Amino acid sequence: RKEVEQDPGPFNVPEGATVAFNCTYSNSASQSFFWYRQDCRKEPKLLMSVYSSGNEDGRFTAQLNRASQYISLLIRDSKLSDSATYLCAVNSPGAGNNRKLIWGLGTSLAVNP
Amino acid sequence: GAGVSQSPRYKVAKRGQDVALRCDPISGHVSLFWYQQALGQGPEFLTYFQNEAQLDKSGLPSDRFFAERPEGSVSTLKIQRTQQEDSAVYLCASSLEGRPQEKLFFGSGTQLSVL
Repeated sequence: RKEVEQDPGPFNVPEGATVAFNCTYSNSASQSFFWYRQDCRKEPKLLMSVYSSGNEDGRFTAQLNRASQYISLLIRDSKLSDSATYLCAVNSPGAGNNRKLIWGLGTSLAVNP
Repeated sequence: GAGVSQSPRYKVAKRGQDVALRCDPISGHVSLFWYQQALGQGPEFLTYFQNEAQLDKSGLPSDRFFAERPEGSVSTLKIQRTQQEDSAVYLCASSLEGRPQEKLFFGSGTQLSVL
């Protein structure tokens, strides 16, 4: 089992739809969780950090479920500009470096007019 | 600078050639990371610096890969005797202090193609 797993998609949704992605992680000691967005041939950019209590930023909501070891990202009222690959990243404590991030493969989202 | 700068943007190398990839992090950022991203994959951790100290190099795939950050700012990733499997985008990222919850700022990457 990979340390961080995501459904690669692609997810094809119409504008205005609500879409949700999950990401599972295997290391129960992980403490830091992130969603990054990556556009084609571009670098990843932080979308949201994920906090234990869950957090929301406009149309985006992130949740953490420690018991089941997954994080989720919900996008409401999706826009054409949301089309991108969404990467989850989880820190991998151990060997004295808790800043090392393990990444999922990414979930591809296409929002259609 | 305004962001993380990487050069060259593209590099084509013949198999067996040595290459050097440069990363100029955001000024004042303590932590610097190198990641390798193959097509259709997520980034894979290579190595981590805190100032000039290389604290973790567990992700370097072989002893052909070497990274340095001698003055705690600019970093160079060197790949000796390149192989076709080294073809990937090499991403550099920096963060201000290196706390686990800190945002990483990525450069645009160097796309390496080994022929």
